[in-house]
Amino acid sequence: GQQLNQSPQSMFIQEGEDVSMNCTSSSIFNTWLWYKQDPGEGPVLLIALYKAGELTSNGRLTAQFGITRKDSFLNISASIPSDVGIYFCAGPRLNYGGSQGNLIFGKGTKLSVKP
Amino acid sequence: DTGVSQNPRHKITKRGQNVTFRCDPISEHNRLYWYRQTLGQGPEFLTYFQNEAQLEKSRLLSDRFSAERPKGSFSTLEIQRTEQGDSAMYLCASSLGRVINSPLHFGNGTRLTVT
Repeated sequence: GQQLNQSPQSMFIQEGEDVSMNCTSSSIFNTWLWYKQDPGEGPVLLIALYKAGELTSNGRLTAQFGITRKDSFLNISASIPSDVGIYFCAGPRLNYGGSQGNLIFGKGTKLSVKP
Repeated sequence: DTGVSQNPRHKITKRGQNVTFRCDPISEHNRLYWYRQTLGQGPEFLTYFQNEAQLEKSRLLSDRFSAERPKGSFSTLEIQRTEQGDSAMYLCASSLGRVINSPLHFGNGTRLTVT
């Protein structure tokens, strides 16, 4: 079935550093979504991508929809302490006639502050 | 606050007991979703309502699970005869069905612990 593989699983950041993470799949997605989840809270949508090749920014965040439709990346520039959290990629399950809200999520990339 | 509201935030129950969770979506949203999230994993889709109709159910939703949305507003998720494997965060999300690519807005979840 459809699966999303995120890498890295975890990373440490120092304030001011740029961060890059990606998400790959063996199957095609027609939408890529990036969510952030803080401890004890639900995921919050950061960026949505709807077309292959699309590059979209939201403040210091930039995400791209891979041209093969099987991958996406998220970059965070000049990281700040509040960027700490878990970042998930997600996409709608290919389920003809089903809801676009039936999402498959990756296992997440956990961002922590360097000790 | 007009976001998705979930109650209770935490529930501890003994194995074999029944539990019920409530979700109040954003008021104008006609689509409502339930997801489950275990530690170290991304959320997994359970079921979806459009207004009061339950249109999709995941294979994860065993017959011990039942969800309702009687008047097309709030929803309840009941788990009967709970098992330790049911311990997880149960997330509710809502979206505006008549808007294409309307994003899912998640609540902060109900954390269930089955002892």
